Amino acid sequence: EVQLVESGGGLVQPGGSLRLSCAASGFNFDRYSMHWVRQAPGKGLEWVSYISTSSSTKYYTDSVKGRFTISRDNAKNSLYLQMNTLRDDDAAIYYCVRDLWSGGDLWGQGTTVTVSS
Amino acid sequence: QSVLTQPPSVSGAPGQRVTISCTGSRSNIGAVYDVHWYQQVPGRVPKLLIYGYTNRPSGVPDRFSGSKSGASASLTITGLQAEDEADYYCQSYDSALSNYVFGSGTKVTVL
Repeated sequence: EVQLVESGGGLVQPGGSLRLSCAASGFNFDRYSMHWVRQAPGKGLEWVSYISTSSSTKYYTDSVKGRFTISRDNAKNSLYLQMNTLRDDDAAIYYCVRDLWSGGDLWGQGTTVTVSS
Repeated sequence: QSVLTQPPSVSGAPGQRVTISCTGSRSNIGAVYDVHWYQQVPGRVPKLLIYGYTNRPSGVPDRFSGSKSGASASLTITGLQAEDEADYYCQSYDSALSNYVFGSGTKVTVL
C-alpha cells in the first residue's frame, strides 16, 4: 500500500525539542522530493520545509529557520524533522507530504505537536 | 498573512455552481508555477483535488474544475453537493521567497 506514516509528536515544553519521523512505503521514496506541512488548531495549512531527493536542497519557512532541520534517509525510506527551541506557535498537526511541486498527492495522517508548560 | 489570497467563505444551494478564487502575484501564480487545489473535510487529511491548474486525479468527480487567468487561479464546483462542504486550499511555489505557499483557505457551505 502506498502510504506515509508520521510519528514522534507529543507534548513538549516551550524551548524543548522533538524529532518527527515519516515512514514511506509502497513507492520509490528516493525518486520524490518531500515536505512537511503543518496546521495549527482551527487554522489553515502552512508549508514548513522541503527536501530534494538527494538532500542537496532544503528550504524552510522563515518562522522555523535556524530551529528546524529537515533530513531524509533514502535507505530507510524515511523523512525527518528535527524541531528545536519550540514555541507556542509551533503547536500543530504536522503532515508529511509527497512532492508539492507536482501536486501533493500523498499525505500522511499527521502527528500532533503540543507545546505547553 | 498568506501570499495567496482566497475568500474566507463561499456558499451555495445544492446543484448550484460556486467558484473560489486564489489571487497571487508575479512571483507565484503569475509566473510559470503550477497551482494545485486541496479539499479538507473537517477532521480529515487534505486531499489533492486539482493539480497543474486544470487536472483531476483519478477518482475526483468532474464537477470540480480549475482554471488560471493572469496571476489568479480559480476552482469551480458545478452542481454543488452536500458532501462538498469542506475547506479548500490553493497551493503554488513562490520564487521570491523560495518557498512553497498555500492560500488562506475557503470554507464552502452547502445551504
